[in-house]
Amino acid sequence: SQTIHQWPATLVQPVGSPLSLECTVEGTSNPNLYWYRQAAGRGLQLLFYSVGIGQISSEVPQNLSASRPQDRQFILSSKKLLLSDSGFYLCAWSVSRGLSQETQYFGPGTRLLVL
Amino acid sequence: AQSVTQLDSHVSVSEGTPVLLRCNYSSSYSPSLFWYVQHPNKGLQLLLKYTSAATLVKGINGFEAEFKKSETSFHLTKPSAHMSDAAEYFCVALTGTASKLTFGTGTRLQVTL
Repeated sequence: SQTIHQWPATLVQPVGSPLSLECTVEGTSNPNLYWYRQAAGRGLQLLFYSVGIGQISSEVPQNLSASRPQDRQFILSSKKLLLSDSGFYLCAWSVSRGLSQETQYFGPGTRLLVL
Repeated sequence: AQSVTQLDSHVSVSEGTPVLLRCNYSSSYSPSLFWYVQHPNKGLQLLLKYTSAATLVKGINGFEAEFKKSETSFHLTKPSAHMSDAAEYFCVALTGTASKLTFGTGTRLQVTL
């Protein structure tokens, strides 16, 4: 069966520091991968998605970036965190089948607090 | 353009009474629709999904939802609420390539004794 991991679970970082959040998927090959952010009291906002290694699409311009160095690894990064980067970050995966509409499955999330 | 509207930001029910969480969608064509649940500080768990097969969809934990094209609705129901159902519920539509999701703003369900 497929599982999705995220770490760390919780992170407290000072403003201006770098960030690296990691997401890995097991039990599937060539998944679509997604990063979402959920700010307090709000719904989810899609940040990035990837349909393959090295293929990243950005949905929202900001100081975050994403990379996919391996098929089942998706990394969210920042060189300098802002206070507004605080939130709950969720990684998700879906089966890649061209234009078909596949269910997304979410990881446990990383809670980031920027002080 | 696609949008999802959850009509209630907060719903409170007594344990053992029915649950109704409302969702309307707008789309130029029939989307795939989902309900996810999020317990505090947890990721999203899929409750059920509609993909143009049966209009009444049964999910986990006794939840079900009915797709009504004429009303552009996909309301989530459960006959009898349990304390463990207290959580945030998201109605979600999926369309297009790369499986892009459109989320509703969420409904917080409170279950009281």
